[in-house]
Amino acid sequence: QQQVKQSPQSLIVQKGGISIINCAYENTAFDYFPWYQQFPGKGPALLIAIRPDVSEKKEGRFTISFNKSAKQFSLHIMDSQPGDSATYFCAASARAGANNLFFGTGTRLTVIP
Amino acid sequence: DAGVTQSPTHLIKTRGQHVTLRCSPISGHKSVSWYQQVLGQGPQFIFQYYEKEERGRGNFPDRFSARQFPNYSSELNVNALLLGDSALYLCASSSRTDTQYFGPGTRLTVL
Repeated sequence: QQQVKQSPQSLIVQKGGISIINCAYENTAFDYFPWYQQFPGKGPALLIAIRPDVSEKKEGRFTISFNKSAKQFSLHIMDSQPGDSATYFCAASARAGANNLFFGTGTRLTVIP
Repeated sequence: DAGVTQSPTHLIKTRGQHVTLRCSPISGHKSVSWYQQVLGQGPQFIFQYYEKEERGRGNFPDRFSARQFPNYSSELNVNALLLGDSALYLCASSSRTDTQYFGPGTRLTVL
Protein backbone atom coordinates (compact mmCIF):
# COMPACT_ATOMS: atom_id res chain seq x y z
CA GLN A 1 0.00 0.00 0.00
CA GLN A 2 1.49 3.30 -1.17
CA GLN A 3 1.37 5.70 1.78
CA VAL A 4 2.25 8.71 -0.36
CA LYS A 5 0.79 9.05 -3.85
CA GLN A 6 2.59 11.24 -6.37
CA SER A 7 1.63 12.58 -9.78
CA PRO A 8 2.37 13.00 -12.58
CA GLN A 9 4.78 10.18 -13.33
CA SER A 10 6.56 12.34 -15.91
CA LEU A 11 6.47 16.00 -16.83
CA ILE A 12 7.86 18.00 -19.73
CA VAL A 13 8.15 21.77 -19.31
CA GLN A 14 9.59 24.52 -21.47
CA LYS A 15 12.51 26.51 -20.10
CA GLY A 16 11.18 29.37 -18.02
CA GLY A 17 7.89 27.61 -17.32
CA ILE A 18 6.41 26.40 -14.04
CA SER A 19 6.73 22.76 -13.04
CA ILE A 20 4.08 21.44 -10.63
CA ILE A 21 4.21 18.07 -8.90
CA ASN A 22 1.47 16.87 -6.57
CA CYS A 23 1.40 14.46 -3.65
CA ALA A 24 -1.32 13.12 -1.36
CA TYR A 25 -1.21 11.13 1.87
CA GLU A 26 -3.64 9.37 4.18
CA ASN A 27 -1.78 8.98 7.47
CA THR A 28 -2.68 11.96 9.66
CA ALA A 29 0.30 11.18 11.91
CA PHE A 30 2.65 12.47 9.20
CA ASP A 31 4.12 15.78 10.31
CA TYR A 32 7.13 16.33 8.09
CA PHE A 33 7.02 16.59 4.30
CA PRO A 34 10.31 16.89 2.37
CA TRP A 35 10.99 16.95 -1.34
CA TYR A 36 14.07 15.31 -2.79
CA GLN A 37 15.77 15.74 -6.17
CA GLN A 38 17.63 12.80 -7.66
CA PHE A 39 19.91 12.70 -10.68
CA PRO A 40 20.68 9.37 -12.40
CA GLY A 41 23.15 7.28 -10.42
CA LYS A 42 23.09 9.64 -7.43
CA GLY A 43 21.44 9.65 -4.04
CA PRO A 44 18.41 11.85 -3.34
CA ALA A 45 19.28 15.41 -2.34
CA LEU A 46 16.99 17.36 -0.01
CA LEU A 47 15.40 20.33 -1.81
CA ILE A 48 12.91 21.81 0.60
CA ALA A 49 10.68 20.60 3.43
CA ILE A 50 7.55 21.75 5.24
CA ARG A 51 5.70 21.00 8.45
CA PRO A 52 1.88 21.14 8.71
CA ASP A 53 1.83 24.32 10.79
CA VAL A 54 2.40 26.42 7.64
CA SER A 55 0.60 26.39 4.28
CA GLU A 56 3.48 27.50 2.10
CA LYS A 57 7.26 27.60 2.14
CA LYS A 58 9.46 29.19 -0.49
CA GLU A 59 13.18 28.78 -1.06
CA GLY A 60 14.48 30.45 -4.19
CA ARG A 61 12.63 29.07 -7.21
CA PHE A 62 11.13 26.20 -5.19
CA THR A 63 7.83 26.49 -3.31
CA ILE A 64 5.89 23.89 -1.32
CA SER A 65 2.15 24.41 -0.94
CA PHE A 66 0.51 22.39 1.83
CA ASN A 67 -3.22 21.70 2.33
CA LYS A 68 -3.68 19.94 5.65
CA SER A 69 -7.44 19.43 5.35
CA ALA A 70 -7.10 17.83 1.92
CA LYS A 71 -3.94 15.94 2.95
CA GLN A 72 -2.17 17.16 -0.14
CA PHE A 73 1.05 19.01 -0.85
CA SER A 74 2.76 20.13 -4.00
CA LEU A 75 6.09 21.36 -5.32
CA HIS A 76 6.24 24.34 -7.66
CA ILE A 77 9.43 25.04 -9.58
CA MET A 78 9.37 28.55 -10.99
CA ASP A 79 11.41 29.58 -14.04
CA SER A 80 12.31 25.94 -14.72
CA GLN A 81 15.77 25.40 -16.17
CA PRO A 82 17.30 22.48 -18.13
CA GLY A 83 19.51 21.81 -15.09
CA ASP A 84 16.33 21.06 -13.12
CA SER A 85 15.79 17.96 -15.27
CA ALA A 86 15.82 15.15 -12.71
CA THR A 87 13.49 12.85 -10.79
CA TYR A 88 11.64 14.44 -7.89
CA PHE A 89 10.31 12.55 -4.91
CA CYS A 90 7.91 13.72 -2.26
CA ALA A 91 8.08 12.02 1.11
CA ALA A 92 6.45 12.07 4.53
CA SER A 93 7.36 10.97 8.02
CA ALA A 94 5.99 11.01 11.55
CA ARG A 95 8.09 11.99 14.57
CA ALA A 96 6.54 9.21 16.62
CA GLY A 97 8.28 5.90 16.14
CA ALA A 98 11.13 5.33 13.73
CA ASN A 99 10.71 8.61 11.90
CA ASN A 100 11.34 6.81 8.61
CA LEU A 101 10.47 8.44 5.31
CA PHE A 102 7.68 7.15 3.09
CA PHE A 103 8.40 8.15 -0.50
CA GLY A 104 6.16 8.78 -3.46
CA THR A 105 6.81 6.97 -6.72
CA GLY A 106 8.70 9.89 -8.27
CA THR A 107 8.20 12.36 -11.12
CA ARG A 108 10.67 12.53 -13.97
CA LEU A 109 10.96 16.17 -14.98
CA THR A 110 12.38 17.18 -18.32
CA VAL A 111 12.92 20.88 -19.02
CA ILE A 112 13.26 21.61 -22.72
CA PRO A 113 15.60 24.48 -23.69
CA ASP B 1 32.26 18.93 5.99
CA ALA B 2 31.98 15.53 4.34
CA GLY B 3 28.51 14.27 3.61
CA VAL B 4 27.28 10.72 4.02
CA THR B 5 29.72 8.25 2.52
CA GLN B 6 28.97 4.73 1.36
CA SER B 7 31.10 1.85 0.16
CA PRO B 8 31.46 0.18 -2.16
CA THR B 9 30.04 2.20 -5.03
CA HIS B 10 29.13 -0.81 -7.11
CA LEU B 11 28.93 -4.49 -6.33
CA ILE B 12 28.15 -7.57 -8.39
CA LYS B 13 27.16 -10.78 -6.63
CA THR B 14 25.56 -14.07 -7.60
CA ARG B 15 22.40 -15.59 -6.20
CA GLY B 16 22.85 -17.18 -2.78
CA GLN B 17 25.85 -15.08 -1.80
CA HIS B 18 25.87 -12.55 1.00
CA VAL B 19 26.86 -8.89 0.90
CA THR B 20 27.93 -6.22 3.38
CA LEU B 21 27.39 -2.54 2.63
CA ARG B 22 28.93 0.23 4.69
CA CYS B 23 27.91 3.75 5.59
CA SER B 24 29.53 6.64 7.46
CA PRO B 25 27.14 9.35 8.60
CA ILE B 26 27.71 13.08 8.62
CA SER B 27 29.94 14.06 11.53
CA GLY B 28 27.82 14.60 14.63
CA HIS B 29 24.85 12.62 13.34
CA LYS B 30 23.88 9.68 15.52
CA SER B 31 21.07 8.21 13.44
CA VAL B 32 21.50 6.11 10.33
CA SER B 33 18.75 4.75 8.10
CA TRP B 34 18.93 2.30 5.21
CA TYR B 35 16.68 2.36 2.15
CA GLN B 36 16.37 0.17 -0.92
CA GLN B 37 15.61 1.84 -4.24
CA VAL B 38 14.61 -0.42 -7.08
CA LEU B 39 15.03 1.11 -10.54
CA GLY B 40 12.16 3.43 -11.36
CA GLN B 41 10.72 3.51 -7.84
CA GLY B 42 11.04 5.58 -4.69
CA PRO B 43 13.28 4.46 -1.84
CA GLN B 44 11.80 1.91 0.57
CA PHE B 45 12.72 1.97 4.27
CA ILE B 46 14.71 -1.01 5.57
CA PHE B 47 16.18 -0.07 8.98
CA GLN B 48 16.85 2.85 11.26
CA TYR B 49 19.45 2.94 14.03
CA TYR B 50 19.96 5.59 16.66
CA GLU B 51 22.73 5.45 19.23
CA LYS B 52 23.43 1.84 18.17
CA GLU B 53 19.88 0.73 18.90
CA GLU B 54 17.43 -0.40 16.21
CA ARG B 55 14.59 2.13 16.16
CA GLY B 56 12.63 0.81 13.22
CA ARG B 57 12.42 -1.92 10.64
CA GLY B 58 10.61 -1.90 7.33
CA ASN B 59 8.84 -4.77 5.60
CA PHE B 60 11.92 -6.73 4.56
CA PRO B 61 12.74 -10.40 5.18
CA ASP B 62 15.09 -11.60 7.91
CA ARG B 63 17.81 -12.02 5.27
CA PHE B 64 18.37 -8.31 5.80
CA SER B 65 20.18 -7.22 8.96
CA ALA B 66 22.10 -4.19 10.09
CA ARG B 67 24.09 -2.80 12.94
CA GLN B 68 25.55 0.50 14.07
CA PHE B 69 28.99 0.87 15.59
CA PRO B 70 30.19 3.11 18.46
CA ASN B 71 31.45 5.67 15.92
CA TYR B 72 27.89 5.73 14.43
CA SER B 73 28.91 4.12 11.16
CA SER B 74 26.70 1.30 10.01
CA GLU B 75 26.64 -1.93 8.04
CA LEU B 76 23.79 -3.48 6.11
CA ASN B 77 24.04 -7.23 5.55
CA VAL B 78 21.99 -9.22 3.09
CA ASN B 79 22.17 -13.02 3.09
CA ALA B 80 21.10 -15.56 0.47
CA LEU B 81 20.89 -12.95 -2.26
CA LEU B 82 18.02 -13.09 -4.74
CA LEU B 83 17.77 -11.52 -8.17
CA GLY B 84 15.15 -9.17 -6.74
CA ASP B 85 17.68 -7.73 -4.30
CA SER B 86 19.31 -5.87 -7.20
CA ALA B 87 18.86 -2.22 -6.34
CA LEU B 88 20.48 0.99 -5.20
CA TYR B 89 21.00 0.82 -1.44
CA LEU B 90 20.91 4.21 0.20
CA CYS B 91 22.10 5.28 3.60
CA ALA B 92 20.77 8.43 5.24
CA SER B 93 21.97 10.16 8.37
CA SER B 94 20.22 12.61 10.64
CA SER B 95 20.72 14.40 13.91
CA ARG B 96 17.83 14.70 16.36
CA THR B 97 15.73 16.48 13.72
CA ASP B 98 13.57 15.00 10.98
CA THR B 99 15.90 15.92 8.15
CA GLN B 100 17.62 12.96 6.54
CA TYR B 101 20.63 13.41 4.28
CA PHE B 102 21.35 10.68 1.79
CA GLY B 103 24.61 9.25 0.58
CA PRO B 104 25.38 8.39 -3.04
CA GLY B 105 24.28 4.80 -2.60
CA THR B 106 25.71 1.38 -3.41
CA ARG B 107 24.53 -0.17 -6.66
CA LEU B 108 24.08 -3.92 -6.06
CA THR B 109 23.61 -6.24 -9.01
CA VAL B 110 22.71 -9.87 -8.34
CA LEU B 111 23.28 -12.27 -11.23
